[in-house]
Amino acid sequence: DTAVSQTPKYLVTQMGNDKSIKCEQNLGHDTMYWYKQDSKKFLKIMFSYNNKELIINETVPNRFSPKSPDKAHLNLHINSLELGDSAVYFCASSQERDEQFFGPGTRLTVL
Amino acid sequence: GENVEQHPSTLSVQEGDSAVIKCTYSDSASNYFPWYKQELGKGPQLIIDIRSNVGEKKDQRIAVTLNKTAKHFSLHITETQPEDSAVYFCAASRRRTDSWGKLQFGAGTQVVVTP
Repeated sequence: DTAVSQTPKYLVTQMGNDKSIKCEQNLGHDTMYWYKQDSKKFLKIMFSYNNKELIINETVPNRFSPKSPDKAHLNLHINSLELGDSAVYFCASSQERDEQFFGPGTRLTVL
Repeated sequence: GENVEQHPSTLSVQEGDSAVIKCTYSDSASNYFPWYKQELGKGPQLIIDIRSNVGEKKDQRIAVTLNKTAKHFSLHITETQPEDSAVYFCAASRRRTDSWGKLQFGAGTQVVVTP
């Protein structure tokens, strides 16, 4: 009965590759988010979608492109991966602006 | 934009003692202040939150206080147990306004409870 799930949990890849992280929530929420947690544990929002519409788009390189096929899914595609993209990426969901529930995270390592 | 500062960065306590984590925020329009607990290898989990129309909220061994005038809020954990060991994050947002739930997080506090 996982509420917010992400795949994969670990992702190791070479610089320059393109990769995707998938997120799904079964809470019936209408808003989903992507956060990046760096090596110092600092959490920063990247994107937010409400009913498949992009509503928050922080200063993130355009190599990062979120895609929301429906309200329950928000995927993150990253082009031309760089060393600095190594981090843990968390998906979260909420009902409108209410409490946010986080997924287990995807640890991305770029070599 | 909002800026949230969190102290201390690390906190070691003996089992049974209390732990206090403090946060300050800069945006006077912020009205929602959640606290998250992140265990090793897991995602942050909401443990308690407080809205700006409330000064204090308690849930069993944890409590949060908010001082809107001073723009600071604190997390209090009483009777700490080893399972309280984790990283704790405070956050602030303008809930139900134009910011669509954009949470600004503090830098986190690593809490270690020693038996």
